[in-house]
Amino acid sequence: DGGITQSPKYLFRKEGQNVTLSCEQNLNHDAMYWYRQDPGQGLRLIYYSQIVNDFQKGDIAEGYSVSREKKESFPLTVTSAQKNPTAFYLCASGLTPELGKLFFGSGTQLSVL
Amino acid sequence: RKEVEQDPGPFNVPEGATVAFNCTYSNSASQSFFWYRQDCRKEPKLLMSVYSSGNEDGRFTAQLNRASQYISLLIRDSKLSDSATYLCVVTSNTGNQFYFGTGTSLTVIP
Repeated sequence: DGGITQSPKYLFRKEGQNVTLSCEQNLNHDAMYWYRQDPGQGLRLIYYSQIVNDFQKGDIAEGYSVSREKKESFPLTVTSAQKNPTAFYLCASGLTPELGKLFFGSGTQLSVL
Repeated sequence: RKEVEQDPGPFNVPEGATVAFNCTYSNSASQSFFWYRQDCRKEPKLLMSVYSSGNEDGRFTAQLNRASQYISLLIRDSKLSDSATYLCVVTSNTGNQFYFGTGTSLTVIP
């Protein structure tokens, strides 16, 4: 089955620790996105990538880093510089930006110990 | 000013009711418009695209008013399974960024 897979489903971070969230898709989509969702709030864009080896900052990129070495993979690292990392993280992909439809992974809930 | 604004609700309606949600957006050059549905602690899923001519999918009707920069979603004959949060989504003028509203919460009551 084609789809977009995020792992892990739940992740706990200690103070000062970097953690990496995985996002893999086998939909052959060019564009991939990372969003953060806090309770009662909409999705906010962290980073996006339209092509391999290229990515752009979204609205709240501080304290996060990404890589796009393969078309299928777009991992997100939450660094120790992100002081309020507890949130629900969603990865999405799209065939091309112009087509407009996003397909989401099932999300990762990150909490701070 | 936020890119997309939605009334967060909650909307509590009885089964069989008709309910409408509105959403406004700030960028007049926005390219594409969508409604997504999100169940509690799950990922958003595309409900329908929104076109200027209006479009209908079963009990759901979406409308776009570019002059007034608002989008609407109408749900007729509400079912219990319609209970969810409905997210209004607008793309940038280049089409490569998606802006999400905070969502409108709907609960359909038996």
